[in-house]
Amino acid sequence: KAGVTQTPRYLIKTRGQQVTLSCSPISGHRSVSWYQQTPGQGLQFLFEYFSETQRNKGNFPGRFSGRQFSNSRSEMNVSTLELGDSALYLCASSRYGLGDTQYFGPGTRLTVL
Amino acid sequence: DAKTTQPNSMESNEEEPVHLPCNHSTISGTDYIHWYRQLPSQGPEYVIHGLTSNVNNRMASLAIAEDRKSSTLILHRATLRDAAVYYCISPNNAGNMLTFGGGTRLMVKP
Repeated sequence: KAGVTQTPRYLIKTRGQQVTLSCSPISGHRSVSWYQQTPGQGLQFLFEYFSETQRNKGNFPGRFSGRQFSNSRSEMNVSTLELGDSALYLCASSRYGLGDTQYFGPGTRLTVL
Repeated sequence: DAKTTQPNSMESNEEEPVHLPCNHSTISGTDYIHWYRQLPSQGPEYVIHGLTSNVNNRMASLAIAEDRKSSTLILHRATLRDAAVYYCISPNNAGNMLTFGGGTRLMVKP
């Protein structure tokens, strides 16, 4: 069974720009969650989507948004990028949600200049 | 989610057992304890999970205290490839976000 895939793997943007990251979950998984990982803050939860609906949300500003499509693929968008948004963005999928085993993708490394 | 507490780092010698502790004193009665690990330059990967009884799989064993306020991940024979950050979490679906603490960085010496 193919694992979770994320595209692109690496991205460089400048302040003020926006970015869209993509995540394809494991087949049959309806939950996709997103995380930001930085050296200073560790692994922080952004939000979870289940069957195209945002079900849980972390403490991030509204510049961070996401959506999920009918095939469970998910995108995350960050608008008006700031230097502090430089991080590894991870997505994870599971069958039933956050209480279930999470399968993580390799992440997208975003650098904001 | 229950808050979990882990040591920042631990060291082990190759081929020796490693016991990674985790405190989760606020865990509710129905929440599982999950362990994940993150190898360098990779996303976290699932290791093991359990509710009340001790659990074993091909990667590790999980020993859960009788009062469920703590657990220990046991790697029976550490290898260099086990060097990673190990996270203990106790998530649930009930509208709570998945909270990873700082984890324990395991260093394995040859």
